[in-house]
Amino acid sequence: QKEVEQDPGPLSVPEGAIVSLNCTYSNSAFQYFMWYRQYSRKGPELLMYTYSSGNKEDGRFTAQVDKSSKYISLFIRDSQPSDSATYLCAMSATRGSTLGRLYFGRGTQLTVWP
Amino acid sequence: DGGITQSPKYLFRKEGQNVTLSCEQNLNHDAMYWYRQDPGQGLRLIYYSQIVNDFQKGDIAEGYSVSREKKESFPLTVTSAQKNPTAFYLCASSAGVAPQHFGDGTRLSIL
Repeated sequence: QKEVEQDPGPLSVPEGAIVSLNCTYSNSAFQYFMWYRQYSRKGPELLMYTYSSGNKEDGRFTAQVDKSSKYISLFIRDSQPSDSATYLCAMSATRGSTLGRLYFGRGTQLTVWP
Repeated sequence: DGGITQSPKYLFRKEGQNVTLSCEQNLNHDAMYWYRQDPGQGLRLIYYSQIVNDFQKGDIAEGYSVSREKKESFPLTVTSAQKNPTAFYLCASSAGVAPQHFGDGTRLSIL
């Protein structure tokens, strides 16, 4: 079993839709949770960053972490064609030999059509 | 502007040849990382370094080598022992457990 599981999609939605992206994980030591956005032929760009459980909101984006279920989500409201990209979840532990090392999901490819 | 610079953007390797990918950061980060990205497989960790003059193997280190002689630089050499080197290579850096920041990658192909 991979440490982080993410449905690769692809996901195609109309402009203005609410998008839900999800990841599950198996390592209970993970405390930092990140979402990256990657446009074609570019490096991943940090979108959202949360520590431990709870919600975080930034404009049209909301990140949720449910540590009891080992499940994280990214919601995009009022989606725009410019949101079309691959979204990668990533997580890391706060202690131990893997300190600072990120574990990534495979990425979900999202297309928002006008 | 602070950031991570990877060069070249595109690189071609001949059979039996070693090639070196450059990664430079001016973010004053202690930790640096190299990933390989293949279609549909996400990012896989090749090597990482948490301090100067020290580095550790990641999940797919075979056929690769690195050095960390300066804080701002972490070059990756793809050796002839790496039989399937065609991929998108990404360098990242971070300050401790903080999120990693990425460069814009080097696309390596075989001639």
